[in-house]
Amino acid sequence: NAGVTQTPKFRVLKTGQSMTLLCAQDMNHEYMYWYRQDPGMGLRLIHYSVGEGTTAKGEVPDGYNVSRLKKQNFLLGLESAAPSQTSVYFCATRYREETQYFGPGTRLLVL
Amino acid sequence: RKEVEQDPGPFNVPEGATVAFNCTYSNSASQSFFWYRQDCRKEPKLLMSVYSSGNEDGRFTAQLNRASQYISLLIRDSKLSDSATYLCVVNIVNPPNMLTFGGGTRLMVKP
Repeated sequence: NAGVTQTPKFRVLKTGQSMTLLCAQDMNHEYMYWYRQDPGMGLRLIHYSVGEGTTAKGEVPDGYNVSRLKKQNFLLGLESAAPSQTSVYFCATRYREETQYFGPGTRLLVL
Repeated sequence: RKEVEQDPGPFNVPEGATVAFNCTYSNSASQSFFWYRQDCRKEPKLLMSVYSSGNEDGRFTAQLNRASQYISLLIRDSKLSDSATYLCVVNIVNPPNMLTFGGGTRLMVKP
């Protein structure tokens, strides 16, 4: 039982490059979330999903796209990376009214 | 105004001290409340939920004041291992099942 895993753990991109972050969970949770965490800003919600095939925008969705084709996976895409997207990205899952469980994070540096 | 506000600290305390953090939230319709702990370069993890009647878990006590819209966390007999950032988290009603995080309060316990 791995819980919530994120791939990759660390990545360096050049401005304009694209990449996809993968979040995988084996807890059969309906809800999944992508956050970014920046110094002094706390965790900010990018996009979220309340079930397979559904996604919605969070607080800071611009520059990101997501997909939830399978219940266990939630993908976060950056089509054209910008230095402002340098951050730590956390995925989280939640079952109904229970607490959220976080993945270990992905550190992204955009040069 | 941020939806969830915390004093960023740092709070520097000696081992054995008692320390208290407060957090204020702006949405009076908020339904549930939590304290998360985040260690450096790690993911946030649930420390405890906060109930209207107040609740205690070992050295940790959480209180909720709905009238004044604030939440508190008290740590007694601080240990070196308590050094971390403590995140105040609120479940905002709309959209549902979405948590809003405060920026966190950093605690450093010194020998």
